Amino acid sequence: GNSVTQMEGPVTLSEEAFLTINCTYTATGYPSLFWYVQYPGEGLQLLLKATKADDKGSNKGFEATYRKETTSFHLEKGSVQVSDSAVYFCALMISGTYKYIFGTGTRLKVLA
Amino acid sequence: DGGITQSPKYLFRKEGQNVTLSCEQNLNHDAMYWYRQDPGQGLRLIYYSQIVNDFQKGDIAEGYSVSREKKESFPLTVTSAQKNPTAFYLCASKTSGIASGETQYFGPGTRLLVL
Repeated sequence: GNSVTQMEGPVTLSEEAFLTINCTYTATGYPSLFWYVQYPGEGLQLLLKATKADDKGSNKGFEATYRKETTSFHLEKGSVQVSDSAVYFCALMISGTYKYIFGTGTRLKVLA
Repeated sequence: DGGITQSPKYLFRKEGQNVTLSCEQNLNHDAMYWYRQDPGQGLRLIYYSQIVNDFQKGDIAEGYSVSREKKESFPLTVTSAQKNPTAFYLCASKTSGIASGETQYFGPGTRLLVL
């Protein structure tokens, strides 16, 4: 079946540190891949997305590359800020369907 | 401003009571979704609707019901049959297409607590 696996958190970093949050997926067909961010007490916001192999999504200094050979979509940021503290969700959508599959989320804490 | 609104922000349910969570969108989206979020479990799909007057069960539909009488509205009822309703409920919507990269847009959520 289709699934998304994320690294467990919390991930705790100092300000200006490099961030990687791992995400791997299992999917039939050709999925689109997404990263969403959730701040405390709020809904999810789209951070970035990629629709085909080797595409790189980027936004607000975050990047992720769609790697079909390793079925991965790892999230990276070169220098995190305290304001990046949130929960990050990796998700996929199978082309031709209406369903999205979400990972369990990874909590990021950035310390000043 | 276009967006999705959910109300109330907090909802308290007594045992044996049905409660209804509101979701309204003015994005002109055809598809709408309800998810349940529990700590450490990510988002689980309850129901989704592709068009007005049509909806499908998701992975955890038992104890929940929905209606889709208007394009803008997709209310969720948590019935007394749902024995563990305490969770954060998120409504989402997207355009009607099923092409690659279709983005879901989320509301701010409703937290349901049992008294």
